[in-house]
Amino acid sequence: GAGVSQSPSNKVTEKGKDVELRCDPISGHTALYWYRQRLGQGLEFLIYFQGNSAPDKSGLPSDRFSAERTGESVSTLTIQRTQQEDSAVYLCASSSRSTYNSPLHFGNGTRLTVT
Amino acid sequence: QQQVKQSPQSLIVQKGGISIINCAYENTAFDYFPWYQQFPGKGPALLIAIRPDVSEKKEGRFTISFNKSAKQFSLHIMDSQPGDSATYFCAPLGNTPLVFGKGTRLSVIA
Repeated sequence: GAGVSQSPSNKVTEKGKDVELRCDPISGHTALYWYRQRLGQGLEFLIYFQGNSAPDKSGLPSDRFSAERTGESVSTLTIQRTQQEDSAVYLCASSSRSTYNSPLHFGNGTRLTVT
Repeated sequence: QQQVKQSPQSLIVQKGGISIINCAYENTAFDYFPWYQQFPGKGPALLIAIRPDVSEKKEGRFTISFNKSAKQFSLHIMDSQPGDSATYFCAPLGNTPLVFGKGTRLSVIA
């Protein structure tokens, strides 16, 4: 079946503008994660959704970042008043089980460039 | 939140050689130990994983060795090929937000 889909694949925006990134997880996957990956760096955890539970927002770097998920489907990551340091690849992943013991399936990411 | 230490940061191996990447962790609640492989422009993909009730798991040219007492696990790539050139991440799982190692950039040269 289809994998995790992210859109857009590339986004260039001006400093100060808001952006919205979309993630379509694999159908039936209850868990959804957002990560940020700066050039040549590792994965920085941002937020985790599990079913109808309150999301784990402990990785969000500032109040300019927010994310929503509708049920067990699409998620959107919103960055308000973008800054140049927000430039990175934003990766979404989903997994099939309600525990942490399940491999993650990643999308190919959205490459965000803030000019 | 330095719960996972991965080494080396980069590795150059001759074609046909053995690549070894290590991951040390602190949290004893971790109970699933995967390695992910990432090619440029792609998201990471699960390569191989091990549970703590075994000390070694082999899948083709890829082997995970797990040392519970030392809180370390490693990835061994036998007969390394240029197509193995990628970035590798360890990401032990447990009752905490998922933490990835900082990655190892592997280059296999002919």
